Amino acid sequence: SAVISQKPSRDICQRGTSLTIQCQVDSQVTMMFWYRQQPGQSLTLIATANQGSEATYESGFVIDKFPISRPNLTFSTLTVSNMSPEDSSIYLCSVVEEGRGSEQYFGPGTRLTVT
Amino acid sequence: GDSVTQMEGPVTLSEEAFLTINCTYTATGYPSLFWYVQYPGEGLQLLLKATKADDKGSNKGFEATYRKETTSFHLEKGSVQVSDSAVYFCALSRYSYGNNRLAFGKGNQVVVIP
Repeated sequence: SAVISQKPSRDICQRGTSLTIQCQVDSQVTMMFWYRQQPGQSLTLIATANQGSEATYESGFVIDKFPISRPNLTFSTLTVSNMSPEDSSIYLCSVVEEGRGSEQYFGPGTRLTVT
Repeated sequence: GDSVTQMEGPVTLSEEAFLTINCTYTATGYPSLFWYVQYPGEGLQLLLKATKADDKGSNKGFEATYRKETTSFHLEKGSVQVSDSAVYFCALSRYSYGNNRLAFGKGNQVVVIP
C-alpha cells in the first residue's frame, strides 16, 4: 500500500492562530480525505480533497474554518484556522489507491493542542 | 443514514483469552465493511475487510464475517496476546457523490493483561 506521511507530527498552538498540515503520498492516489479524531473519540470525516477543485465538506465543517488544497495526485494540505481549544484533536489524512477498491489507508496523524 | 454501532465500553481480558467485539451497521445498498486498529500513539491500520455478504475477512489471527441477515461484522480472535492491546474501530464504506467515504463506529479499547 501507499506510504503516507504527515507534517507536522504534533504541534502546540495558541488560540486565534492557524496551522497548516501537510499530507504527502509516495504514489498517485485517486482519493484523499481528511478526518478529525477528538480525544477519546472516533474519527469524523471533515472533507474529501478533490484534485484541482474545491474540497467537498461534510455537514458541520466549512471551508473558512478548514480550507483544503490538493494541487496534485500525491499532496494535500488542511489548514485549521482561527483555532480554539475545541480544535485540539488528531488530524488524519487517508487515501484510496487506484485499483484497491474502497480500502482507505491512513497517515500517522497530526496531534494538535490549542492553548 | 448509514452508521456503525460498536458495543459499549473497553474490553479487558487475559492473555490467550477469546476476544469478540460486536459491530452492527445500518446502510442502504451493499457497503464494504472494515476493521481498523489503532495501537497506542500510532495512526490507523487496516486490519481486515469484507466486501459482500458471507465474506470472511482475516488477518493476524483476527476474523470477521459479513452477515447481511443480522447486519453485523463482529471481530473475533481465538487467543489474544498483550501486543493486541489497542483500539479497534469498525467502519463501513458509503458510496456517495462518486466517493467511497468511511463511517466509523466509536471504537473499543482492548486491554490484554499478561
